[in-house]
Amino acid sequence: GAGVSQSPSNKVTEKGKDVELRCDPISGHTALYWYRQSLGQGLEFLIYFQGNSAPDKSGLPSDRFSAERTGGSVSTLTIQRTQQEDSAVYLCASRAGGGDTQYFGPGTRLTVL
Amino acid sequence: GENVEQHPSTLSVQEGDSAVIKCTYSDSASNYFPWYKQELGKGPQLIIDIRSNVGEKKDQRIAVTLNKTAKHFSLHITETQPEDSAVYFCAASRFGNEKLTFGTGTRLTIIP
Repeated sequence: GAGVSQSPSNKVTEKGKDVELRCDPISGHTALYWYRQSLGQGLEFLIYFQGNSAPDKSGLPSDRFSAERTGGSVSTLTIQRTQQEDSAVYLCASRAGGGDTQYFGPGTRLTVL
Repeated sequence: GENVEQHPSTLSVQEGDSAVIKCTYSDSASNYFPWYKQELGKGPQLIIDIRSNVGEKKDQRIAVTLNKTAKHFSLHITETQPEDSAVYFCAASRFGNEKLTFGTGTRLTIIP
């Protein structure tokens, strides 16, 4: 079946602009995660949605970062007033309720000039 | 919070030999430890995982061992093949469904 999809695959923006990154989780998965992977680094947790519960936003690095999950499915990560240090690959993962495995999408490579 | 350290950062092995990657974690409450393989330009893919109530798990050429007392776990790949070349990440979490804390990755190169 279809895996996690993310769009766009690449995004180049100018410093100070806002960007929106989209994640389509696996159908029926109740949990959705956003991670950030800087060049040559491990994955850094950003935010976690589980069903109708309040999201765990503990990993968001600043108030310029926000995320929404509409209808328990698609999620959008928004970065306002982008900075060069925001350049990274943003990865989305989803997980079935009751399961352990997080399935990752291919990521969005964000470059802030 | 949890801290996961991973070694080595790079590893080159001759095709057919074994590769071992080691991770340590700090949070004694962590009980779920997955390993992911990431190929260039792709998202991480789960290759094996282990829960804290098990000391070892095998899946064909891949095995993971867990030492709860020492708070470390290892990935073992036997009979390595060129397609095993990738970056491998270990991770840890509580309860198996919360956020994962990742190690910094190991770039494995299989030399033909």
